[in-house]
Amino acid sequence: KAGVTQTPRYLIKTRGQQVTLSCSPISGHRSVSWYQQTPGQGLQFLFEYFSETQRNKGNFPGRFSGRQFSNSRSEMNVSTLELGDSALYLCASSSAGLAGVGSSYEQYFGPGTRLTVT
Amino acid sequence: AQKITQTQPGMFVQEKEAVTLDCTYDTSDPSYGLFWYKQPSSGEMIFLIYQGSYDQQNATEGRYSLNFQKARKSANLVISASQLGDSAMYFCAMREGNINFGNEKLTFGTGTRLTIIP
Repeated sequence: KAGVTQTPRYLIKTRGQQVTLSCSPISGHRSVSWYQQTPGQGLQFLFEYFSETQRNKGNFPGRFSGRQFSNSRSEMNVSTLELGDSALYLCASSSAGLAGVGSSYEQYFGPGTRLTVT
Repeated sequence: AQKITQTQPGMFVQEKEAVTLDCTYDTSDPSYGLFWYKQPSSGEMIFLIYQGSYDQQNATEGRYSLNFQKARKSANLVISASQLGDSAMYFCAMREGNINFGNEKLTFGTGTRLTIIP
């Protein structure tokens, strides 16, 4: 079973630009969650998509948005990049997401996309 | 107040010894879940173990067990017979919220860097 893939793995952007990151979940998983990891703030939940609908959202500004396609692949977009957006962006897939029960709580993480904003 | 507190920023443990990583949490939700993840230097997050707030027994997964003390709001991870490959960052996380309100989220602690000494 193929794992979670994220593209690109590394990205360098300039302040003010926008960026789109992609996440392909494990086959059959309908939930994709996104997280931001920085040395200062640690790991923070961005949002969760389930069956093409945003189901849960963390405390991030509207510059951070996402979507999910019918094949469960998800994209995250950050507009008007700021220096503070430099981070490792992780996505995780699971069969039922945060609302699942039993083993479906298990989230499988991708390798991440390391975004550097200069 | 911090939702998830990991008080040990770093730990050094002799190979083959058992190790306990501390985690305390704060929530008013009656239904919540606690996770432990491992993050090696490669950056990928690896799910280790899950404990639901209503689970009667402590969760175990191979060499990992979760010492869940609900009244004390602690969810310590115990690794038995540590191995060199256990050297990594370990994150405790809590799922809380209500899917009907769209506010379910996963909150991570700041992590503990575990180093196993040969």
